Amino acid sequence: DTAVSQTPKYLVTQMGNDKSIKCEQNLGHDTMYWYKQDSKKFLKIMFSYNNKELIINETVPNRFSPKSPDKAHLNLHINSLELGDSAVYFCASSQGALRDRHLYGYTFGSGTRLTVV
Amino acid sequence: SQQGEEDPQALSIQEGENATMNCSYKTSINNLQWYRQNSGRGLVHLILIRSNEREKHSGRLRVTLDTSKKSSSLLITASRAADTASYFCATGDMRFGAGTRLTVKP
Repeated sequence: DTAVSQTPKYLVTQMGNDKSIKCEQNLGHDTMYWYKQDSKKFLKIMFSYNNKELIINETVPNRFSPKSPDKAHLNLHINSLELGDSAVYFCASSQGALRDRHLYGYTFGSGTRLTVV
Repeated sequence: SQQGEEDPQALSIQEGENATMNCSYKTSINNLQWYRQNSGRGLVHLILIRSNEREKHSGRLRVTLDTSKKSSSLLITASRAADTASYFCATGDMRFGAGTRLTVKP
């Protein structure tokens, strides 16, 4: 199936731990994104990569570090997890360069629900 | 910011009724997109309307765009219980609002 897949789907961890979320797309898209959805369902963009290059880096704590080994993968590593990091994290991808994102829709993964206790 | 803001925050209707959701934005756009999110799932792209279009249809969905008012509406006709979801609009830089939570009662 062509899709954006994220792992794990659920992640429960203690404060202070370091964790990673992986994302892979087999759609041949050039641009990938990480979004954070809080408890009020507000979706906020965190990062965007185009062909392994960081394009968008919103005001996100340095504890969050994206890594793109190739254009089909965009992983998110979080250091020293805090209670406020609890949210659902979505990976997405779009066709073409970042400047062309208005031309195409996004394909989203099914999300990773992170709970920090 | 080009963030879309959806209105109302929540909408509850009976099956068979029509549902209308609105989106407002602040700056000029190239296009506007609508997405649906079922509970516990990712967003699914529904429809994209370009700035030079005024209306677009896809099945039971009808989207209008009024660039002079910087607003768009999504109409779902003959709603079904399966349409229960949150609906989001997004503009060119793909910033989303908090969505409209639609509940369709059987």
